[in-house]
Amino acid sequence: RKEVEQDPGPFNVPEGATVAFNCTYSNSASQSFFWYRQDCRKEPKLLMSVYSSGNEDGRFTAQLNRASQYISLLIRDSKLSDSATYLCVVNLNNNDMRFGAGTRLTVKP
Amino acid sequence: DAGITQSPRHKVTETGTPVTLRCHQTENHRYMYWYRQDPGHGLRLIHYSYGVKDTDKGEVSDGYSVSRSKTEDFLLTLESATSSQTSVYFCAISELGVDTGELFFGEGSRLTVL
Repeated sequence: RKEVEQDPGPFNVPEGATVAFNCTYSNSASQSFFWYRQDCRKEPKLLMSVYSSGNEDGRFTAQLNRASQYISLLIRDSKLSDSATYLCVVNLNNNDMRFGAGTRLTVKP
Repeated sequence: DAGITQSPRHKVTETGTPVTLRCHQTENHRYMYWYRQDPGHGLRLIHYSYGVKDTDKGEVSDGYSVSRSKTEDFLLTLESATSSQTSVYFCAISELGVDTGELFFGEGSRLTVL
């Protein structure tokens, strides 16, 4: 079983839609959690950290459920520029960050 | 953008040949990492460094070695390339380590082993 699992998608949504991605992780000792964004044939970039209390950054909201071991990312009012692959990342410890395979999002006009 | 340069960006080689990928940073960050990215697997850590001459293995280290003789350079070597090492390789740097979650990645090196 993979440490971090994501629905690969693709998610195809119209502009303005709200879309949510989930991610599950297997190691209950995981310490911190993040979402990265990766554009096609580009390098990944940190989108946001995920805190236990949930956190928001503009149109993006991240939530963590430790009891059920899942993380979510909600994108409101989708823009064309949100089209990318979203990577769920879990930090186990000692420089051991595990990346999910990613969920691909395409926002269409 | 963080100052990270990977070279070469593209390489095609034959099975059994040695290959070295270079990562160069201008940020003076302590931590450097090599990942590989394959379809369906996400990024997987090969080796990382927490200082000059200080390195450790990651999740998929077999068949790879690394060296860091200077803060700014982290080399990844495939002693004898195999077709299973065909992948996109990303170097990453971090000032404080992965606890902050913020890794800055290079643009990637696409390696094809025939």
